[in-house]
Amino acid sequence: ETGVTQTPRHLVMGMTNKKSLKCEQHLGHNAMYWYKQSAKKPLELMFVYSLEERVENNSVPSRFSPECPNSSHLFLHLHTLQPEDSALYLCASSPLGGLYNEQFFGPGTRLTVL
Amino acid sequence: AQSVTQPDIHITVSEGASLELRCNYSYGATPYLFWYVQSPGQGLQLLLKYFSGDTLVQGIKGFEAEFKRSQSSFNLRKPSVHWSDAAEYFCAVGVGAGNMLTFGGGTRLMVKP
Repeated sequence: ETGVTQTPRHLVMGMTNKKSLKCEQHLGHNAMYWYKQSAKKPLELMFVYSLEERVENNSVPSRFSPECPNSSHLFLHLHTLQPEDSALYLCASSPLGGLYNEQFFGPGTRLTVL
Repeated sequence: AQSVTQPDIHITVSEGASLELRCNYSYGATPYLFWYVQSPGQGLQLLLKYFSGDTLVQGIKGFEAEFKRSQSSFNLRKPSVHWSDAAEYFCAVGVGAGNMLTFGGGTRLMVKP
């Protein structure tokens, strides 16, 4: 596998379920990101991890819980979601150092909350 | 707070025609500017970026963009569009520390044969 991979690609869950999204990068990067892409809304940054430490949390509801066990893996744990949480969730990674390094995106997980 | 505006939600052009996608930003300092493209079912791919220097930047797939400070714009252009360019295009500005990006709402490009 190369680049940034995300699993599953599609997920349907009820509001009482607990599920997790997984992201893996094979690029040797040290920063990883979760974005939410909803219809008719700009891409929203949710979480940023740098060297496995969270450095940004853009006021995301606590029903979303990220985890970064190492620099190659990023998870987004989901529980008691709402229908408005249905969206495409994108993971990205980038190297650190220098100025605004390119972020490499995965294909996303399409989440539907019933 | 910084913001990015892409005024055109949808654009349709004929194959072979020229293309310009508009992007305006609001940010107090010199921004770092990016254009990304997203094909259906795919993640975002970087087309080009502007950090400093020459205000006309070249990217992949024959795209270019011009930074105009006086107009707070960073418009994307291509002289001749191919059917494979049909996708959604996002302008983004890098602000603060740590590689944070603020994205515009995107422009969906359709290409007529």
